[in-house]
Parts: sequence; C-alpha cells; structure tokens
Amino acid sequence: DTEVTQTPKHLVMGMTNKKSLKCEQHMGHRAMYWYKQKAKKPPELMFVYSYEKLSINESVPSRFSPECPNSSLLNLHLHALQPEDSALYLCASSQEGRRIQYFGPGTRLLVL
Amino acid sequence: GIQVEQSPPDLILQEGANSTLRCNFSDSVNNLQWFHQNPWGQLINLFYIPSGTKQNGRLSATTVATERYSLLYISSSQTTDSGVYFCAVTTDKLIFGTGTRLQVFP
Repeated sequence: DTEVTQTPKHLVMGMTNKKSLKCEQHMGHRAMYWYKQKAKKPPELMFVYSYEKLSINESVPSRFSPECPNSSLLNLHLHALQPEDSALYLCASSQEGRRIQYFGPGTRLLVL
Repeated sequence: GIQVEQSPPDLILQEGANSTLRCNFSDSVNNLQWFHQNPWGQLINLFYIPSGTKQNGRLSATTVATERYSLLYISSSQTTDSGVYFCAVTTDKLIFGTGTRLQVFP
C-alpha cells in the first residue's frame, strides 16, 4: 500500500479563521513532508518531520504551524492566513529523508 | 543551490505520437524521481531513477548522472497522459524541476 491520504480535499477560510489540514500514511514511513504549490509552479518544500521531530523548516511564516502527533499522522495548523496563501498543499512521506517520496492528493486552500 | 531545469516547458501532441522530456540539474544528486501531476493535482510516481534506464509500459526513463541529465520517453501518447511532468532531485531535500506541461489531443 503506497497511499497517503489528506483531508479535507478543499477548504475555504477567512483570514481570521483557524483550520487544520490532516495527512495520514500507514506505510511505516518515518519521514513526512508538507509542500505548497501555487498555480503553474512546482511544489515547494515547507516542513520536514523525521522520526516525529521537525528537522527542516524552510523559513515558513508562523501562521503555518506543523504538528506530528505520531509516526502516521501529520497536521498543518492554519491561523490568520492571507489571500496569497491560497494554494494546493501537498503531504508526502518516505522511508527516510533521501528515499522515494509518495504524495497525497492534496488540499486546495482558498483564503478569502 | 541546485538548479533543475526541464524542457520543453509546454508540449502539445496528437494521440499516438512519441515525445522526449528532458531534465537538467546543476550539481550531483543522490537520486532522481519523475512524477506526473494529473489535472486534479495528484502527483503520481513514475520512476525512481538515480542512474541507468528503466521502463514501465509506454514510459521509459534514462538518467546519466555523470552528465547531470535525465530523459523521460513517452511512446504512443494517450489523452490520459495529459498533465504536468516533473523531475525532482534529492540533495538534503527534494527539489522539483520547472515542469513540462503536456497536452494530448485525440
């Protein structure tokens, strides 16, 4: 099973809202990732968790707050977002940091 | 940092045609993956190919690591091949190329 699941598929939120994106994998992978993808651009790395600890933060604004409650789950908490944060948010996992990454279907976020 | 450039940026084909997509990278890498992003945004793994040649049905890929490029071949293209093709290289993290947008018409 090489499936990574993400919920919700779509999310519309106002700039004062608090919401969370969820990612789950049951492949026993120990590295999990959040990427942001704007229209007509490649995905860009936001965060990396390795063995449930944050190992890379690509200078992401604090209005994005990642959380890894256990080895199968990865959350991205959103607060006070801006319209320019509207994008496709992709989650991925891999056995370890330099191995094949498997991506979820993404969450399309619209900030009004 | 490492630069990953893909060509061509856009490609329009008629069903049944063959095509070659290229990925150039500016420095040594640990591995290379090819992805297809379908119109719904899902990134689908095509190949994990740090070096050599692999084939999977109508698709094949070749990476020449010493010359810092990889090629993706699509034969007998179908409308379902439409989407964006990304190569991505790993140093300490995965870095995506600029992408090739492919449209296949019946």
